[in-house]
Amino acid sequence: QKEVEQNSGPLSVPEGAIASLNCTYSDRVSQSFFWYRQYSGKSPELIMSIYSNGDKEDGRFTAQLNKASQYVSLLIRDSQPSDSATYLCAVSTTNTGNQFYFGTGTSLTVIP
Amino acid sequence: GAVVSQHPSRVICKSGTSVKIECRSLDFQATTMFWYRQFPKQSLMLMATSNEGSKATYEQGVEKDKFLINHASLTLSTLTVTSAHPEDSSFYICSAPDWAKNEKLFFGSGTQLSVL
Repeated sequence: QKEVEQNSGPLSVPEGAIASLNCTYSDRVSQSFFWYRQYSGKSPELIMSIYSNGDKEDGRFTAQLNKASQYVSLLIRDSQPSDSATYLCAVSTTNTGNQFYFGTGTSLTVIP
Repeated sequence: GAVVSQHPSRVICKSGTSVKIECRSLDFQATTMFWYRQFPKQSLMLMATSNEGSKATYEQGVEKDKFLINHASLTLSTLTVTSAHPEDSSFYICSAPDWAKNEKLFFGSGTQLSVL
């Protein structure tokens, strides 16, 4: 079983809609959770981090964490064409020496 | 946020030559750095974990004699692709966690290696 799983997509939403990206993880002792955005040919860019259960909002982005269900999501409100990218979910755990595990990414396309 | 600088951004070399890629943490000390490889339209693949002052830890299937990693200081890790071949052509990315910023992982800008 992969440590971090994401739906690879592609996910297409119209401009102005809400894009919902989901991620599940297998290690119950995971402590930190991150969402990265990666444009084609570029390296990943950190857009959100979340460490405790609940919602965390930053502008148009909201990260949601549910440790009991081992589930983390990213909502993008008022989606823009510039949001079109691959979104990577990452989980870190310190029980095996500070490891970061990445999902395979979800490709998002926002249609103008 | 923290800055990780990676150079060069693009390199083209002949088969059989060696290529060195540098990764620097500019405003924090990085005892650990990670090296990834990414092929087009594929996910990140962790190659190795670079530890300052000690040997790197390589992932299964990654040849340590081909991908030499040196982490001689708290701000610099290098990856040398030795005797590069066309199948080594890929996008190489380094990253470093800033433990002072809740262990957020920051990425360098990546190096596109093309071996002719």
